[in-house]
Amino acid sequence: DTEVTQTPKHLVMGMTNKKSLKCEQHMGHRAMYWYKQKAKKPPELMFVYSYEKLSINESVPSRFSPECPNSSLLNLHLHALQPEDSALYLCASRLWVGKGTEAFFGQGTRLTVV
Amino acid sequence: QQQVKQSPQSLIVQKGGISIINCAYENTAFDYFPWYQQFPGKGPALLIAIRPDVSEKKEGRFTISFNKSAKQFSLHIMDSQPGDSATYFCAASMGGSQGNLIFGKGTKLSVKP
Repeated sequence: DTEVTQTPKHLVMGMTNKKSLKCEQHMGHRAMYWYKQKAKKPPELMFVYSYEKLSINESVPSRFSPECPNSSLLNLHLHALQPEDSALYLCASRLWVGKGTEAFFGQGTRLTVV
Repeated sequence: QQQVKQSPQSLIVQKGGISIINCAYENTAFDYFPWYQQFPGKGPALLIAIRPDVSEKKEGRFTISFNKSAKQFSLHIMDSQPGDSATYFCAASMGGSQGNLIFGKGTKLSVKP
């Protein structure tokens, strides 16, 4: 099983709303990632968690707040977003951040900020 | 140094033909080179991957060729089918605290019936 499950699949939120994206994997992977993808662009790294600890934050605005409650679950809390934050948000996981391990992506959450 | 350069940006191939997508990198610390296939509105799906100690890897109709000295790798899709029409991304990563994927800009493949 190489499944990474993301919920919800679609989300429309206003600029004053607070919402959360959820990602779950049961492959025993200890590295989990959030990526943002705009149309016709490659995925762009936002956050990396390694063994439930935040190891990389790619200068993402504070209106995005990640959380890793346990080794299977990753959340992305959203608050006061801007229309330009509309994108496909992707979660990925790998066995660990070491050499040469396969990374699997979820189907993404299509976020629209109105 | 962290870039992965991918070409072409778009590719049109007839059904049954061979699709070839190329990528080049600079950082010799990269140790893992995957290819992803992405359909519109879906997440990237891992297609095939190679490590630098191997020059070629084949899985079904998909083959990666890897040239370590030239720092280049390519994806070959044999007997291309309309269902292969998608965007393909090459990527590279290295071990350590980074461990994230560096993506090429993508190639939109259209296979004509």
